[in-house]
Amino acid sequence: EPEVTQTPSHQVTQMGQEVILRCVPISNHLYFYWYRQILGQKVEFLVSFYNNEISEKSEIFDDQFSVERPDGSNFTLKIRSTKLEDSAMYFCASRGQGAGYGYTFGSGTRLTVV
Amino acid sequence: QKEVEQDPGPLSVPEGAIVSLNCTYSNSAFQYFMWYRQYSRKGPELLMYTYSSGNKEDGRFTAQVDKSSKYISLFIRDSQPSDSATYLCVTTDSWGKLQFGAGTQVVVTP
Repeated sequence: EPEVTQTPSHQVTQMGQEVILRCVPISNHLYFYWYRQILGQKVEFLVSFYNNEISEKSEIFDDQFSVERPDGSNFTLKIRSTKLEDSAMYFCASRGQGAGYGYTFGSGTRLTVV
Repeated sequence: QKEVEQDPGPLSVPEGAIVSLNCTYSNSAFQYFMWYRQYSRKGPELLMYTYSSGNKEDGRFTAQVDKSSKYISLFIRDSQPSDSATYLCVTTDSWGKLQFGAGTQVVVTP
C-alpha cells in the first residue's frame, strides 16, 4: 500500500528558530496538503499545493509559513520563526486526480516549541 | 456554527457490538464525505468516502449520508478492541480543503 512519509516524527525546537518539516507524498499524486492538529483539538487545514503553487491557504498560514516542492518527490513546510503556539502535530497529505481518490495522510511530525 | 459537528464521546461498547457514530454538517455545498480513523498520535487513516446520499458498505463498515438533513453516520459491525480509536467525520465541497469534525473517541472493551 503506497504511503505518505513524514520526517522527522518528532522535533523539538526553541522559540524563534526555523524548522522544516519534510514529506514524501505518494508518487503519482498531484495535490499536496499540510494540516495541523493542536493537542486535544480538531485537525485544521493549513495549505494546499498543486502544479507547483499554493492553491489555497488558511488564516493560520501567515507569512511565517512557506511550502516548497524542491524536487519531484519532497514537499516541505517551513516555519520561519517558531512560536510556542506552533506546537502541534503536522500532517502532510496527498491526493490523486479525480473524485475517486481519497486523501492519504502521513503519520505526522510532532513539533514541540520550547 | 461549527461546519462539522460530532459528539466527542467517549463511546464505550463491548466487543462484538455495533458502533454507531453520527455527524452533522452545516454547509450544503459539501458534497464529499469521508470517515477517517485516528489512533493516538498517529495520522488519520481513510476508512470510507462517498459523495451521494444513501448507504455504502465496506466489510464491517457502513457509511450513511442524508444530504437533505445534512446528517452522516458510520456503523461498525462486530466491533473489535482494535477498533478503539477516534473516528473523524470529514467533508469537502470540491476535493480541496477538508473540514474535520472534532472526532468521536470509541473504546471497545473485550
